[in-house]
Amino acid sequence: GESVGLHLPTLSVQEGDNSIINCAYSNSASDYFIWYKQESGKGPQFIIDIRSNMDKRQGQRVTVLLNKTVKHLSLQIAATQPGDSAVYFCAGLNSGYSTLTFGKGTMLLVSP
Amino acid sequence: SAVISQKPSRDICQRGTSLTIQCQVDSQVTMMFWYRQQPGQSLTLIATANQGSEATYESGFVIDKFPISRPNLTFSTLTVSNMSPEDSSIYLCSAHAGPNYGYTFGSGTRLTVV
Repeated sequence: GESVGLHLPTLSVQEGDNSIINCAYSNSASDYFIWYKQESGKGPQFIIDIRSNMDKRQGQRVTVLLNKTVKHLSLQIAATQPGDSAVYFCAGLNSGYSTLTFGKGTMLLVSP
Repeated sequence: SAVISQKPSRDICQRGTSLTIQCQVDSQVTMMFWYRQQPGQSLTLIATANQGSEATYESGFVIDKFPISRPNLTFSTLTVSNMSPEDSSIYLCSAHAGPNYGYTFGSGTRLTVV
């Protein structure tokens, strides 16, 4: 099966800084990736996704980069705000199987 | 995207008892899933709830311990049977409406077994 893991368990930043959260995956058959944000006491919320035929996708204040050569993706958050404090998970999917595999998660702490 | 209501939101249960968690989606969805999230950890897929047939369980999870129902395209239940303190966790329901739709999650059920 696939495993998806993260490099950094905790990331502390100052308000206004840019944040980068990294994720590595092992299954080269993964063709769809999602970043989720999970606040305390809540379920994961969709942030942004990317398909394997792309290497970059931008949303509002967020950008996901995918490097298929090294099986790595990252989530960049611009001008980080205290409300961005949460745990962030990457998840990968082999669309032939329709089930997501989650990485370990990174806690983002934003100081005012 | 689909909106998921999950209940109960939390419960404290005695060991040896069973708890059934309900998941209601506001629209028909192709696939529903159940995850477990142990404290401070990531999400682990328990099973895929199949409408009209037996659920598909992941390695390490069995039907006797986690029976699942899915009577229609908008509703599923997960039962945690014969509970022990090791079952204390957050249980999350997820739904996927099909290609071009995302994977949505409920708010979870926080279970404590004493």
